[in-house]
Amino acid sequence: GAVVSQHPSWVICKSGTSVKIECRSLDFQATTMFWYRQFPKQSLMLMATSNEGSKATYEQGVEKDKFLINHASLTLSTLTVTSAHPEDSSFYICSATGTTAGTQYFGPGTRLLVL
Amino acid sequence: AQRVTQPEKLLSVFKGAPVELKCNYSYSGSPELFWYVQYSRQRLQLLLRHISRESIKGFTADLNKGETSFHLKKPFAQEEDSAMYYCALETSGSRLTFGEGTQLTVNP
Repeated sequence: GAVVSQHPSWVICKSGTSVKIECRSLDFQATTMFWYRQFPKQSLMLMATSNEGSKATYEQGVEKDKFLINHASLTLSTLTVTSAHPEDSSFYICSATGTTAGTQYFGPGTRLLVL
Repeated sequence: AQRVTQPEKLLSVFKGAPVELKCNYSYSGSPELFWYVQYSRQRLQLLLRHISRESIKGFTADLNKGETSFHLKKPFAQEEDSAMYYCALETSGSRLTFGEGTQLTVNP
C-alpha cells in the first residue's frame, strides 16, 4: 500500500514551452503532497507544499508563477513548469502523506530536460 | 533556519563490519527526525523515524538532543545495505529538510 506514481517519468522539451508533471496517490487519499527538486549529486530541496482544495505554499526563493501547482483532488497534484528554460532541467520528485502521521511516501521522480 | 548535515558523502565498509552514518541537525523547535534510504534505481523510502524507536533491517538511530545528532548505526553491514541514505528533519506542516545524503557501499 501507499504507492505514489508520477507521470511522465522523463520529458524533454524546448525552451519556452510549459511542462506538466502529475503526482498521484494510487491507494490512499493524500490531503498533502510535496514537490521537491533534486540536482545531480545533490539533496532534495522542498519547493512547495500542496494541500487539496487550497493554494500551494511555496518555499522561499521558489517562483510560484514559474512553478504552478494544482491539487484538485485527494489523489492528484500537478506541477506545471511554465516557460521552461535550460536551468529548469532537474529531477522533480513528489511525495504524499498518508494515514501514518509524519510519513511521506515518495514518487519515482520525473526527469526534465529543457533544450 | 533549520539545517541537516551529513558530513560523509561516501562511506565504504566491508561486509560484517559495523557502520555508522552521521547526521547532525540545527533546529529551534522540537525535532522530528527520519532516515530515508534510496536503493539503486528505486524511489526514496522511509527507513526509520526517531519517534518510533524501532530497528529496521538491523538499523537503529538514537536522537541525542545534547549533541543535536541522529546517527544511523548497524552492527553488521550487509551487501544489500548499499544505498544512498538521507537524514531528514521535519518542521512545521510536515515539511522535510534533507541532508545531502551519504552513499554507503558495503564491499564483499
